[in-house]
Amino acid sequence: DTAVSQTPKYLVTQMGNDKSIKCEQNLGHDTMYWYKQDSKKFLKIMFSYNNKELIINETVPNRFSPKSPDKAHLNLHINSLELGDSAVYFCASSQESGLLAGTYTDTQYFGPGTRLTVL
Amino acid sequence: GIQVEQSPPDLILQEGANSTLRCNFSDSVNNLQWFHQNPWGQLINLFYIPSGTKQNGRLSATTVATERYSLLYISSSQTTDSGVYFCAVVSGGYNKLIFGAGTRLAVHP
Repeated sequence: DTAVSQTPKYLVTQMGNDKSIKCEQNLGHDTMYWYKQDSKKFLKIMFSYNNKELIINETVPNRFSPKSPDKAHLNLHINSLELGDSAVYFCASSQESGLLAGTYTDTQYFGPGTRLTVL
Repeated sequence: GIQVEQSPPDLILQEGANSTLRCNFSDSVNNLQWFHQNPWGQLINLFYIPSGTKQNGRLSATTVATERYSLLYISSSQTTDSGVYFCAVVSGGYNKLIFGAGTRLAVHP
């Protein structure tokens, strides 16, 4: 009964390749996110989607393209992979987005992470 | 933007000891969460606590929003408590969780 799942768990690839990471949540939430954790364990938001619409894009290079086919899925496609893209990528979800209320008072639930290694 | 500072950065304990982790933030928040990242990398929700006090077993947390800090208490620590503890906040609208740098905890038997 995994709430937020990601595939694959590990991804090793060469520079210049294109790869995708998939995320699914079965919590019935409306909002999903991608976060990046670097080698120093620092976590930073990349994107947020609410009901399949992009609402946050944190100045991420346009080689990264999120896609939300429905509100239960948020995939991350990365083109022309670079060494600096090596990191752990976490998907998360929450019921609220803060869009309507203007404040955000909800819990975010995280997936298990995908460790991407670019050689 | 809002700054989140956690202290101490590293903590080593003997099993059974108690500890207090601190999270300071530079602006008012309407959302604060504590997470535990276990040695396998999984991020586990501990508390959603924008204000007040909550307890869950050996863990408790207190946030004093007016003074812009939150504390996480771990009592009778166990080796399974090892990992990194993150504080994350949202300030204003939208839903960007801003994470602190974490406190790395090692509990030895």
